[in-house]
Amino acid sequence: AQSVTQLGSHVSVSEGALVLLRCNYSSSVPPYLFWYVQYPNQGLQLLLKYTTGATLVKGINGFEAEFKKSETSFHLTKPSAHMSDAAEYFCAVSQLSGYSTLTFGKGTMLLVSP
Amino acid sequence: DSGVTQTPKHLITATGQRVTLRCSPRSGDLSVYWYQQSLDQGLQFLIQYYNGEERAKGNILERFSAQQFPDLHSELNLSSLELGDSALYFCASSPRENTEAFFGQGTRLTVV
Repeated sequence: AQSVTQLGSHVSVSEGALVLLRCNYSSSVPPYLFWYVQYPNQGLQLLLKYTTGATLVKGINGFEAEFKKSETSFHLTKPSAHMSDAAEYFCAVSQLSGYSTLTFGKGTMLLVSP
Repeated sequence: DSGVTQTPKHLITATGQRVTLRCSPRSGDLSVYWYQQSLDQGLQFLIQYYNGEERAKGNILERFSAQQFPDLHSELNLSSLELGDSALYFCASSPRENTEAFFGQGTRLTVV
């Protein structure tokens, strides 16, 4: 079985500040890990993914995430927040081998203030 | 644009009714997922199909059913609708199992 925990249903930052959204996963086999973003009244859009190889993954809009196996974490960061980053962010896990579906966390709403 | 098309975008219907939501996956994608998103439950996985076969079931009610057709489009059927079924229903597709999924814009269902 696999699961995802996102710490904090809401995170507030000021424009220009560091963004850190936390994600911890549980998986009995090597995972695929994903971050998605959802803007109001839209579908989920893939930000970045980790499959194998380099543990620091760069995505769109200046976001990046680092896979830390020892901590079972895949936190999302961005050095400087923009107002346009305000959205809901979802972490998701699948499995590298065998079959599994895509399991999502409950999401973290990022609020950016001027 | 993800390439996943969902119709209709909005649907308003009465309790007790039945509706069908349609999804056309990205060209070449064999796997289709259905998710329900509501304020109180968050994003809930309903069901997955791969190349016409059911692959996984999540929190899907018995009143709900789905299928994937030979041309790979999928339909989600919701029957005996209740007020609590009001939600956003998303379809997503992926080229293979286990890989990232690409989401449609969703169908907003309102049951009155």
